[in-house]
Amino acid sequence: AQSVAQPEDQVNVAEGNPLTVKCTYSVSGNPYLFWYVQYPNRGLQFLLKYITGDNLVKGSYGFEAEFNKSQTSFHLKKPSALVSDSALYFCAVRDVSDSWGKLQFGAGTQVVVTP
Amino acid sequence: EAGVTQSPTHLIKTRGQQATLRCSPISGHTSVYWYQQALGLGLQFLLWYDEGEERNRGNFPPRFSGRQFPNYSSELNVNALELEDSALYLCASSHGTHNPSYEQYFGPGTRLTVT
Repeated sequence: AQSVAQPEDQVNVAEGNPLTVKCTYSVSGNPYLFWYVQYPNRGLQFLLKYITGDNLVKGSYGFEAEFNKSQTSFHLKKPSALVSDSALYFCAVRDVSDSWGKLQFGAGTQVVVTP
Repeated sequence: EAGVTQSPTHLIKTRGQQATLRCSPISGHTSVYWYQQALGLGLQFLLWYDEGEERNRGNFPPRFSGRQFPNYSSELNVNALELEDSALYLCASSHGTHNPSYEQYFGPGTRLTVT
């Protein structure tokens, strides 16, 4: 079975400061990992994914994430947060070996960036 | 390129009625996924269709059903509506072909309210 944990319900950060949203995962085999963002009353938008290769993945809107296999983590980062980054962020995992396995989402982390 | 579209945007039904939600995937995508996002419950996987076949199903009762048409659009049917079915229903699409590395692209959702 696969699972995702986002240990923080909410992250508060001042504009211009670094932003980190934490995610840890558990899968039987190797993982495919994804980050999505959801703005109020909207669907989810894809930010980035880790498939294989370089552990540092760069995505949309200046976000990046670092895959750490030993710690089973895939934390989302942004060097300098903007007020417009305030949204709900979801981490998701899929087992590489499970072709028809569902994408498992975490519970989400609300990011609040204050001016 | 047009994104995933869903209709209607809002749907109000009374308990015991049936609801039908529709989704059109991105052109070229063969997989369609349905999720329920209820307040406080996060993103719950409902159904996955690919090439007209149901590939995976979440832990929902049989009154949640759907289908995928030859043009890859999909509809979700919810019978015998209950108050707890009130939620945002999100549709997503991706390339299929058994490749779990493909990211999903989400539509804006249908807000279902059961009174």
